[in-house]
Amino acid sequence: GAGVSQSPRYKVAKRGQDVALRCDPISGHVSLFWYQQALGQGPEFLTYFQNEAQLDKSGLPSDRFFAERPEGSVSTLKIQRTQQEDSAVYLCASSLAPGGTLNEQFFGPGTRLTVL
Amino acid sequence: GENVEQHPSTLSVQEGDSAVIKCTYSDSASNYFPWYKQELGKGPQLIIDIRSNVGEKKDQRIAVTLNKTAKHFSLHITETQPEDSAVYFCAASKKGTYKYIFGTGTRLKVLA
Repeated sequence: GAGVSQSPRYKVAKRGQDVALRCDPISGHVSLFWYQQALGQGPEFLTYFQNEAQLDKSGLPSDRFFAERPEGSVSTLKIQRTQQEDSAVYLCASSLAPGGTLNEQFFGPGTRLTVL
Repeated sequence: GENVEQHPSTLSVQEGDSAVIKCTYSDSASNYFPWYKQELGKGPQLIIDIRSNVGEKKDQRIAVTLNKTAKHFSLHITETQPEDSAVYFCAASKKGTYKYIFGTGTRLKVLA
C-alpha cells in the first residue's frame, strides 16, 4: 500500500479482555515504532523494531503490553487483561532506514481503543 | 528525561492571518525538531523539520525557527487557509536515537 495501515481502526473491549492491534508498515521500511496517544496529548513512545528485532521496549507501560514483528514487516501490539487506563489511540509508524534522527517517521491512522 | 512544552494549546486565527506555535525543550543534546500536523481521525503527518545546525527553514507558507541557546523552536504559518485547521505537534529527538518526544499539541482553527 501507499502508506502505513492499521487495523482495526476502532476497538471496544471489556475490562480484562485481551486485544491485538495490527500494523502494516510501508513496504521495505526497516524501522517500526508503536506510540500511545492519550486524549488531548501528544504521542508517547512505546517500542521500536529494526526488522524483526525489538531493540527498545522501554516505553511499554506494563508487562501486559507485548509487541512482535516476527518476519520484519507486519507488527502486532497485544494488550492482555485490558484496563480502563489503556484507553487511547495506538499509533504505528515506520521509517525507511534503521533508527536515527535522519529518517522521517510515517504514521498510520491509529487504532482507537476504548476499554469499558 | 527530555521534556517538550508546547503553547498555546488552542489558537484561532482569521483566514489570511499568520499563526505561530512555540515549543521549548529541556535536553540540550536534542538536535532534530520535526513538526507534525494531525487531522481528525488521521495519524500525524510531517510538515517540516529542522536540525540544530540550522537556525531557520522555510517551505512555502510554513517556516520553523530554532534558538538553541534558549532551547526554543517555533512554527510559523503565513496566509492561513481553512485547510490548515488541525492539531499541530512539535517533537524533539537526540542524535543517535530514534525516540521522538512530542509536545502536547496545538489545536489551530482558521476562521473563514
